[in-house]
Order: sequence, then C-alpha cells, then structure tokens
Amino acid sequence: QQQVKQSPQSLIVQKGGISIINCAYENTAFDYFPWYQQFPGKGPALLIAIRPDVSEKKEGRFTISFNKSAKQFSLHIMDSQPGDSATYFCAASIDGGGTSYGKLTFGQGTILTVHP
Amino acid sequence: GAGVSQSPSNKVTEKGKDVELRCDPISGHTALYWYRQSLGQGLEFLIYFQGNSAPDKSGLPSDRFSAERTGGSVSTLTIQRTQQEDSAVYLCASSLMGGLSTDTQYFGPGTRLTVL
Repeated sequence: QQQVKQSPQSLIVQKGGISIINCAYENTAFDYFPWYQQFPGKGPALLIAIRPDVSEKKEGRFTISFNKSAKQFSLHIMDSQPGDSATYFCAASIDGGGTSYGKLTFGQGTILTVHP
Repeated sequence: GAGVSQSPSNKVTEKGKDVELRCDPISGHTALYWYRQSLGQGLEFLIYFQGNSAPDKSGLPSDRFSAERTGGSVSTLTIQRTQQEDSAVYLCASSLMGGLSTDTQYFGPGTRLTVL
C-alpha cells in the first residue's frame, strides 16, 4: 500500500520559474514531513521539513505548504535554477511508538529539470 | 567530517548468488537504516537498528534478506540466493539518536546491485 503519493513524476521548468511538487498521504498518524533532494550518484539529503502544526515553512527559495485537512503537502521552489535539477522525494514519518521511530515512508520521487 | 559510506558502489552478480553490502555510518550515530530504491519507485524502508535494541525488520521483503550491525557501528545487509527483482540501489542512512522523527537521517551514496 502506497501511503505517500507524489506527483508529477517529472517536471521541466525554465530558469527563474516556480517548481511545484505535490504529495498526498493517507496515514493521519504521520506527524513529520521532510523533503529530500537527490543528485545523480548521491544519496538523498534533507532539504526542508515541516510539522503539521504549521501551514507553511520557508527556507530561502524553498517553501513547504501543508494542508492537514486535505492530507496534502507541497514543495515550491521559487526562482528555479539549473543547479536545482535533481530528484525530489517527499516523505512522512511518525514520531513515537515501537521501534520504528524515524522510519520514513517516501513518495515515488519527481525528477526536476531546470533549463537555462 | 566523513559522511555515511557504503561499499561496494556497484555490484553485479548472477541470479542465485549471495551478496553482502556494507555500510559505515557517521561516527557517533546510534541509529542506522537500510532503504531500497528501485527504478521508478520511491525509497522503501528495509530495516532499522537503534543502539543495542532489537532491530525493526518489518520492511525486509523476504527471508532471503538479513542484516546485522556489529559493535553498534558497521552494518552489513546480506541477500541470499539473489533474484532479478532484487536489482536496485540499496541506501544506508544514519542518525544521531533515532528516537525522534525529526532526527535527521544522513544517507550514503548507495550500492547499485544488478542481478543478471
């Protein structure tokens, strides 16, 4: 069962444009929602994360928007740059309970290409 | 300081052979995770180690998969009697404590396994 659904699978944006990637989750017990960025040949790296008690979090050009009632969250990349070209994964986890602390459930990933 | 390292970076094996994948976590990190990244799929959780506690093996896809962590540091993921569907990138991550979902997981570059 896919608990976190991510779209689109791929995205092409012109330099300076806005990139938007969307995720939806099913498990209402999730309480931490990170986004990871992965460059070819590298492991994913944490980009930005949000807890469900806020509706938006911004760090530089990256913003997470969170809609708890709709069980959706999205990543917005403002002023997209060619260096942002990478695969982006949304994820979700549950804080507390058993031995699965911090276990991340990932979306399928979005390949972002920013053209110069 | 050094990040998470994994070896080998690439492994090609024949169907039916056993393989061992190694992960060296960041020094001082007590939590260690294994994930599998298949083509077109997100990252799939496999197993979680936290200190001396019993590992969370809930993500292992079959009894052909096993993992151990020696001395609370290095971990080895073993796949016995490999099958073609085991072909994927195997990623290891470590975090400082593992007790909270907000404890950032740092990923290694992965081992690309190809089963012929």
